[in-house]
Amino acid sequence: DIQMTQSPSSLSASVGDRVTFTCRASQGISEYLNWYQQKPGEAPKLLIYAASSLQSGVPPRFSGSKSGTDFTLTISGLQREDFATYFCQQSYKSPPTFGAGTRVEI
Amino acid sequence: QVELVESGGGVVPPGRSLRLSCAASGFTFKTFGMHWLRQAPGKGLEWVAMIWYDGSFQNYADSVTGRFTVSRDNSKNTLYLEMNNLRAEDTAVYYCAREAAGGSDYFDYWGQGTLVTVSS
Repeated sequence: DIQMTQSPSSLSASVGDRVTFTCRASQGISEYLNWYQQKPGEAPKLLIYAASSLQSGVPPRFSGSKSGTDFTLTISGLQREDFATYFCQQSYKSPPTFGAGTRVEI
Repeated sequence: QVELVESGGGVVPPGRSLRLSCAASGFTFKTFGMHWLRQAPGKGLEWVAMIWYDGSFQNYADSVTGRFTVSRDNSKNTLYLEMNNLRAEDTAVYYCAREAAGGSDYFDYWGQGTLVTVSS
């Protein structure tokens, strides 16, 4: 199975900050990388698919990119409702696998 | 709007069985692949199983192969997960999720989840 590694595991930030976190796959996955947001007690929500495509209804302060083997999720102008855990997921090869998550805390 | 509602979770002793259901509405259920995923308490997300839009193909995680069976009834807009020989490590919130696009293996809508606890 493809292993997904996210960093950092958690970070502290303030409202208005620009935050960036990273996901790396154990093998090449082209751009088959997706990002989800999960708040406590809620189901995950799709934010970004295919590395950089914004899911319908997701605010444009969320963006995704790929550089070499690293994938990045950026939140430009953190809002209070963005404090959550973010997971990356590869959809290149079955089984789909997830990173362990990055928790964004106040 | 798209809605997925899971049911059937509960507390069950090791070795017993449980069937989860996922009622879908707000979209043409019979045209989408569907998946089950789970999340153990305080842990990350694990994909469990998938079924094609017409039910003709299923695939499973190694951890559940031979014990879990995914099925669907397109006339009832419902997805199922039959779980047999349950183990403590199967304890998790189970989510059903819609495949975003045919064969895409990523998920654009999720249910709210149903908790399965395997304990004596």
